[in-house]
Amino acid sequence: NAGVTQTPKFQVLKTGQSMTLQCAQDMNHEYMSWYRQDPGMGLRLIHYSVGAGITDQGEVPNGYNVSRSTTEDFPLRLLSAAPSQTSVYFCASLGGSGGTQYFGPGTRLLVL
Amino acid sequence: DQQVKQNSPSLSVQEGRISILNCDYTNSMFDYFLWYKKYPAEGPTFLISISSIKDKNEDGRFTVFLNKSAKHLSLHIVPSQPGDSAVYFCAASALAGSGKLIFGQGTTLQVKP
Repeated sequence: NAGVTQTPKFQVLKTGQSMTLQCAQDMNHEYMSWYRQDPGMGLRLIHYSVGAGITDQGEVPNGYNVSRSTTEDFPLRLLSAAPSQTSVYFCASLGGSGGTQYFGPGTRLLVL
Repeated sequence: DQQVKQNSPSLSVQEGRISILNCDYTNSMFDYFLWYKKYPAEGPTFLISISSIKDKNEDGRFTVFLNKSAKHLSLHIVPSQPGDSAVYFCAASALAGSGKLIFGQGTTLQVKP
């Protein structure tokens, strides 16, 4: 049971490039989400999904796209990277009796 | 507008003493509160939670207190251990089990041996 996995661990992009941050979970959780963490800002919700085929926006969705074709995977796409998207990105899934969120180890993204 | 605030960026305590981390919120619709712990280069891990119908929840060395009238919660760690050194985030949601969490900025706790 690997929990929540994220790839890559670190990525450098140039402004305008696109990329997809991968997230997968093996706990059969319906709810998954993406957060970004910036210094002094805590974690902020980007997008979330309550199940395959269903996604919705969080606090800071601009510049990001998501889709959910399977229960296991929830990729986050940056269509045209900007320096303001330099951050650490965490994927999470929600499960357990108390509705606990389980976070992945994070992807550190640097946009030049 | 920061709905969940942790006004102390850092806290340093001696091993064996009590650590008290504070968190304030502004949205009266929040009714479920959580604390997460984060080590460098790792994702946050769930520590303890409390529902708005309670004013205290305890789990081993960790106790969370909620004062709804003051919109304030605190995490007490007794006794503090060097392994507790980490960043602590408080988070809030309008519904228990909701994945839509609003996080505070975090407090870095250092426990000195």
